Amino acid sequence: GDSVTQTEGLVTLTKGLPVMLNCTYQTTYSPFLFWYVQHLNEAPKLLLKSSTDNKRTEHQGFYATLHKSSSSFHLQKSSVQLSDSALYFCALSDRSGYNKLTFGKGTVLLVSP
Amino acid sequence: AQTIHQWPVAEIKAVGSPLSLGCTIKGKSSPNLYWYWQATGGTLQQLFYSITVGQVESVVQLNLSASRPKDDQFILSTEKLLLSHSGFYLCAWSQDWGNQDTQYFGPGTRLLVL
Repeated sequence: GDSVTQTEGLVTLTKGLPVMLNCTYQTTYSPFLFWYVQHLNEAPKLLLKSSTDNKRTEHQGFYATLHKSSSSFHLQKSSVQLSDSALYFCALSDRSGYNKLTFGKGTVLLVSP
Repeated sequence: AQTIHQWPVAEIKAVGSPLSLGCTIKGKSSPNLYWYWQATGGTLQQLFYSITVGQVESVVQLNLSASRPKDDQFILSTEKLLLSHSGFYLCAWSQDWGNQDTQYFGPGTRLLVL
């Protein structure tokens, strides 16, 4: 079955530093990848999505490139802010028919002053 | 613009008691609707999906059931709660059927079963 593997657990950074949160996936179908961000006590919100190989997609300073050759969709930002502290999920949608999303376990990003 | 509302915001329930959680979406006709469960600090797990009124499909068996009595309403329920039902329940919607469609989440309901 489909699976998504993310950077484990907690990533702590100082404000202004770059960040990369890893996401790799496994599927037998053509993949569609998403990044969702969930701030404390809130619902997840879509951050980025892509199904195009080797094309960078950007939103709110975050960017990611889907690389089908390496089955990866890493999330990056050049300079993190305090407000970026949140739980980040990578998710995979397959073509099984009912729009199932398979989520990774999530990565907590904690940005300190 | 579409808005999604979930009720209640939070619940504390006893083991063995019944539960009913609701979700309503406004501003979108015939949405695809989904129920997710998230353990505290954990990942999201899709429970049910529905593409039309009266039709609900189960993805994971967690001793829960779901119904779609109206086009804009999705209900999650059980007759007997278990401790393992505690968590964050999220309703989501998407516009079109297909794997490339984004799912948008509601504000969620926090459930604590004691």
